[in-house]
Amino acid sequence: EAGVTQFPSHSVIEKGQTVTLRCDPISGHDNLYWYRRVMGKEIKFLLHFVKESKQDESGMPNNRFLAERTGGTYSTLKVQPAELEDSGVYFCASSRPRYGEKLFFGSGTQLSVL
Amino acid sequence: AQKVTQAQTEISVVEKEDVTLDCVYETRDTTYYLFWYKQPPSGELVFLIRRNSFDEQNEISGRYSWNFQKSTSSFNFTITASQVVDSAVYFCALSVFNSGTYKYIFGTGTRLKVLA
Repeated sequence: EAGVTQFPSHSVIEKGQTVTLRCDPISGHDNLYWYRRVMGKEIKFLLHFVKESKQDESGMPNNRFLAERTGGTYSTLKVQPAELEDSGVYFCASSRPRYGEKLFFGSGTQLSVL
Repeated sequence: AQKVTQAQTEISVVEKEDVTLDCVYETRDTTYYLFWYKQPPSGELVFLIRRNSFDEQNEISGRYSWNFQKSTSSFNFTITASQVVDSAVYFCALSVFNSGTYKYIFGTGTRLKVLA
């Protein structure tokens, strides 16, 4: 089966610009998660979708971040306007809708805000 | 609150040495899951193992073994006879069911360098 796909793999933007990250989960995975890792730190939770609904968005840093999941399929994470502290690797993961399921991760998007 | 601590930031070993990666977790939940993931240079996190809180049996899979001890809240990972291909960042994670949602909490990762 196809894995979790993230696009783009790298993005370099200037402070104040807008960036949109995309994640295509594994087909049939209702759960979709967004995480961010800043160099040397933990993989930090941002948001959890169950199908098209936001189940938990307690990790979203502020209202400059907007996540959507169209029709319960792919998801986008938009940062507008980007700030320097938004730099990091953004991971998307998906899983089957059952407690304790392993997460399948994408390769991440390396975002650099200059 | 839940927390995962990986105190070892980076470990370097020479090929064929054994190495243990430490993981200590915190949770008040009685039911939880623990995971280890490997992140090779390609970037994608790869699942290695899952353990639930009721199963304290240690596990061995090839050169990999895991030691789960609830008494010390630890879930350590040992690689026997390490190889260069084991070089990666390894993440320990805790999953709990909280407020109607599944949460996964990750540690900061341990970078393992295996030198030829």
